[in-house]
Amino acid sequence: DAKTTQPTSMDCAEGRAANLPCNHSTISGNEYVYWYRQIHSQGPQYIIHGLKNNETNEMASLIITEDRKSSTLILPHATLRDTAVYYCIVLLYSSASKIIFGSGTRLSIRP
Amino acid sequence: EPEVTQTPSHQVTQMGQEVILRCVPISNHLYFYWYRQILGQKVEFLVSFYNNEISEKSEIFDDQFSVERPDGSNFTLKIRSTKLEDSAMYFCASSDWPSGNTIYFGEGSWLTVV
Repeated sequence: DAKTTQPTSMDCAEGRAANLPCNHSTISGNEYVYWYRQIHSQGPQYIIHGLKNNETNEMASLIITEDRKSSTLILPHATLRDTAVYYCIVLLYSSASKIIFGSGTRLSIRP
Repeated sequence: EPEVTQTPSHQVTQMGQEVILRCVPISNHLYFYWYRQILGQKVEFLVSFYNNEISEKSEIFDDQFSVERPDGSNFTLKIRSTKLEDSAMYFCASSDWPSGNTIYFGEGSWLTVV
């Protein structure tokens, strides 16, 4: 699986959009970009995934660059409950995959 | 919304005892996982399970550990002869593979070995 690089930490004001970047320059054509988050010591929570088109769901938007070497997770109106560690992960879609968690980005939302 | 459920939420056990952690994966999922997270550390992969057998396991998953699907709904992790360093949060997960490939995690079982 391709390796990803994320900033160690970020902060964002409550109510503003939180934009979390991720680099995955070695991603291959059949690998998807997934985002998860872990709030405190809760179970990792699936957020969104995509291949090359931008994706949006009720939680977030995922913007993938045209060359697919990087992506941005956007939380449109961050709240204090979005404070968590966010993980960008690249996975093959054609076979059952395990997630190997890195260090992620620790996002702090300030009031 | 379907979810992975785990029991117990917290267990305290004496060193050397056996522990069984239980999980009920999402009902139509076929691929199951166990992960663990030692306090302050990363979430680590332990084992994956498909079609009633281990699909992949990490170096952590040694002979002290075993997994089982005793019936159509439960998935268990057994830890024999627990050690202090087994104290961790253990997460069960299931995947909708092959119809999809998204892994969903439970809220975890916190194991404290004393």
